[in-house]
Amino acid sequence: AQTVTQSQPEMSVQEAETVTLSCTYDTSENNYYLFWYKQPPSRQMILVIRQEAYKQQNATENRFSVNFQKAAKSFSLKISDSQLGDTAMYFCAFMGDNAGNMLTFGGGTRLMVKP
Amino acid sequence: EPEVTQTPSHQVTQMGQEVILRCVPISNHLYFYWYRQILGQKVEFLVSFYNNEISEKSEIFDDQFSVERPDGSNFTLKIRSTKLEDSAMYFCASRESTGNTDTQYFGPGTRLTVL
Repeated sequence: AQTVTQSQPEMSVQEAETVTLSCTYDTSENNYYLFWYKQPPSRQMILVIRQEAYKQQNATENRFSVNFQKAAKSFSLKISDSQLGDTAMYFCAFMGDNAGNMLTFGGGTRLMVKP
Repeated sequence: EPEVTQTPSHQVTQMGQEVILRCVPISNHLYFYWYRQILGQKVEFLVSFYNNEISEKSEIFDDQFSVERPDGSNFTLKIRSTKLEDSAMYFCASRESTGNTDTQYFGPGTRLTVL
């Protein structure tokens, strides 16, 4: 079974600065997908960024980028130029390339962006 | 932009009562999922559904739970006899079968409170 670990329960960052959220995972699969989801106080789950394991290039979406280290099974999220609206819970998630393709989530990191 | 919708947004029920949570997935999506999130905890997979049958289910998804796609648009989760510990946020998600196949899009969730 896959496991996803987020070792930082809470983090804070000053507005306009950069913050990195950590995520590690464990799997025996070779092909899989990794995601970061944002959950603001409304509790809606919003996709931030995704990465296919077979792609070596790190995914980027505007201010959000990842550092994907397949050998180390690490998938960190970097938020540049942090904005107050980035305040939320951030969940790292894993999806294997098999029947059902369920997401396995980490425990989440609560990010507070301070003015 | 198409989105997953869920109703109701909040459901309050008495222990032992049956509840049905409803979801309308994105129209061209073929894979459907239910997840739950107990307050303060991680998001947990319940069940995946494809081609009118369950693909995978977790240990949480016991005989009290069932899913159905009664028509071409709705996807429902039924809890037959609710327990206090069923109180949680329930998320529906859907995924395409082709193209950007790996991303699951989440609905806004239904908050279930069992008294």
